[in-house]
Amino acid sequence: DGGITQSPKYLFRKEGQNVTLSCEQNLNHDAMYWYRQDPGQGLRLIYYSQIVNDFQKGDIAEGYSVSREKKESFPLTVTSAQKNPTAFYLCASSIGTNLFSLHFGNGTRLTVT
Amino acid sequence: SQQGEEDPQALSIQEGENATMNCSYKTSINNLQWYRQNSGRGLVHLILIRSNEREKHSGRLRVTLDTSKKSSSLLITASRAADTASYFCATDALAGGGADGLTFGKGTHLIIQP
Repeated sequence: DGGITQSPKYLFRKEGQNVTLSCEQNLNHDAMYWYRQDPGQGLRLIYYSQIVNDFQKGDIAEGYSVSREKKESFPLTVTSAQKNPTAFYLCASSIGTNLFSLHFGNGTRLTVT
Repeated sequence: SQQGEEDPQALSIQEGENATMNCSYKTSINNLQWYRQNSGRGLVHLILIRSNEREKHSGRLRVTLDTSKKSSSLLITASRAADTASYFCATDALAGGGADGLTFGKGTHLIIQP
């Protein structure tokens, strides 16, 4: 079955450590996105990528970094510079840049203590 | 910045009743979409309505769009316990052409009482 896989589902880290969240898709989608969701809040865009080897900052990119070396993969690194990293992180993809709908993974819940 | 705002924030109804959620947004859009999120899971796309459409149906879902008022509504008819979830509206700004992702509201948490 085609879809988006995020791993791990739960991640615990100590403050000051960088952590990388995985996102893999086998939908052959060109565009991929990272969103952050805080309790009772909507989704906020962190980074997005329309093609391989290219990505753009979203609304809340500070303290995060991404790479897009392969079409299928769009990992997100939460760096120690991110002030409030504890959140639910959602990866999504779409078939192209003429956006129709997003396909989401099931998220990674990151807790930093 | 968040574009859409859903109303109400939470809604609790009896199974079998209809549920209506509203969404307001600020800038001109290409299309508006509704998504559903079960607790602790990713979002699932429900329906998309283009800016030149006024109403769209999909099964028990009915979506309306009023671009003059910058608002949309989602109606779920004959609700079921399995409809319990959070519902989000999302827009792609006309200026961006959708390439820079969707902007989501804060969602309506719907609870269907059996």
